Amino acid sequence: DTGVSQNPRHKITKRGQNVTFRCDPISEHNRLYWYRQTLGQGPEFLTYFQNEAQLEKSRLLSDRFSAERPKGSFSTLEIQRTEQGDSAMYLCASSLHETSGLNEQFFGPGTRLTVL
Amino acid sequence: GESVGLHLPTLSVQEGDNSIINCAYSNSASDYFIWYKQESGKGPQFIIDIRSNMDKRQGQRVTVLLNKTVKHLSLQIAATQPGDSAVYFCADAVQGAQKLVFGQGTRLTINP
Repeated sequence: DTGVSQNPRHKITKRGQNVTFRCDPISEHNRLYWYRQTLGQGPEFLTYFQNEAQLEKSRLLSDRFSAERPKGSFSTLEIQRTEQGDSAMYLCASSLHETSGLNEQFFGPGTRLTVL
Repeated sequence: GESVGLHLPTLSVQEGDNSIINCAYSNSASDYFIWYKQESGKGPQFIIDIRSNMDKRQGQRVTVLLNKTVKHLSLQIAATQPGDSAVYFCADAVQGAQKLVFGQGTRLTINP
């Protein structure tokens, strides 16, 4: 399978615990995005990387959230001191950026987080 | 602020009929538009995109129409099939901003 993969697919944690999610983009894609989706809503942008550089962060990304893409390939999203309001589907997407402009973002299956 | 919205949250059509899903966007600077299909428990799946220098683009059984004057986007699905049942999202972006701004979604149900 050459699509975007995410692990784990499901995560249940207790409030106050830290969690980390992983995203493996399509191999030749240089851009990687994180979105959050709550039930019945569209995905909301959190942050994106071009190669290993984090170029934009949403105001939704509080200081408890941190994302990395150390080698410009896979990325991790960590949430510290989880709160019940963090319960959501966390989606990763990747795209191939070319000088011609925006290109299609391919989404992974998501990691569903439930904070008890 | 920037927002992308949908006129109807749910839409039911008979199998074989055509369906039209509408979307309104508010950011006049947006120049890239995209439709995604999302089935339960899965990530959004690309359907079709269009850039602001076009007003119509066709794919396999799908057509996207863009009216920049009234900031309106629509997705037409021809000869709907049971597999078309899903939630459909429109999203827009500005070339320099990269992030997609999604609407709330429309749930399309295909009745046999």
